[in-house]
Amino acid sequence: GENVEQHPSTLSVQEGDSAVIKCTYSDSASNYFPWYKQELGKRPQLIIDIRSNVGEKKDQRIAVTLNKTAKHFSLHITETQPEDSAVYFCAASNFGNEKLTFGTGTRLTIIP
Amino acid sequence: DTEVTQTPKHLVMGMTNKKSLKCEQHMGHRAMYWYKQKAKKPPELMFVYSYEKLSINESVPSRFSPECPNSSLLNLHLHALQPEDSALYLCASSQQTGGRTDTQYFGPGTRLTVL
Repeated sequence: GENVEQHPSTLSVQEGDSAVIKCTYSDSASNYFPWYKQELGKRPQLIIDIRSNVGEKKDQRIAVTLNKTAKHFSLHITETQPEDSAVYFCAASNFGNEKLTFGTGTRLTIIP
Repeated sequence: DTEVTQTPKHLVMGMTNKKSLKCEQHMGHRAMYWYKQKAKKPPELMFVYSYEKLSINESVPSRFSPECPNSSLLNLHLHALQPEDSALYLCASSQQTGGRTDTQYFGPGTRLTVL
């Protein structure tokens, strides 16, 4: 089955700086890669996703890049703000398999 | 309505109790999921219903019993739970569009404590 590794497990960034979180996956058939943000006591919320036919996707301060050959994808947050502080999970899935395999999570702290 | 809702928000139960968790969505999604999330861990898939039929059971103990009465509702019946079953139980739904994997949208969860 699919295995997703996520690094780092914790990340502290000065407000206004950029944050990068990296994930690697094992199943070359995986073709859908969402990122979820989970604030303390709240539900995981989708912030961005990418499919394997695309190498990069941006939404305002958030971007995701995918390298299918190396089987890794990354989340980039620019101009970080205090409200970006949360746990971020990457995940992977492939068509025909409804199962999302999650990474272990990254606790991001933005230092004012 | 663009949300997944769950009731109750919190539940405390004894090991001999029977209780049920409820999940509802009105987005026309045809796949619904139950996840278990322990503190500081990612969500862990328990069950998937696709078009109201159970399609995935991740070897979950029989003290957890899912039910999908219709395309909008998903229940999780709990019986004879153990203290280690205490966790946040998340429901999710997705559209089930043919030809691609669809985004899963999560409900707010039920915080379960087993005494």
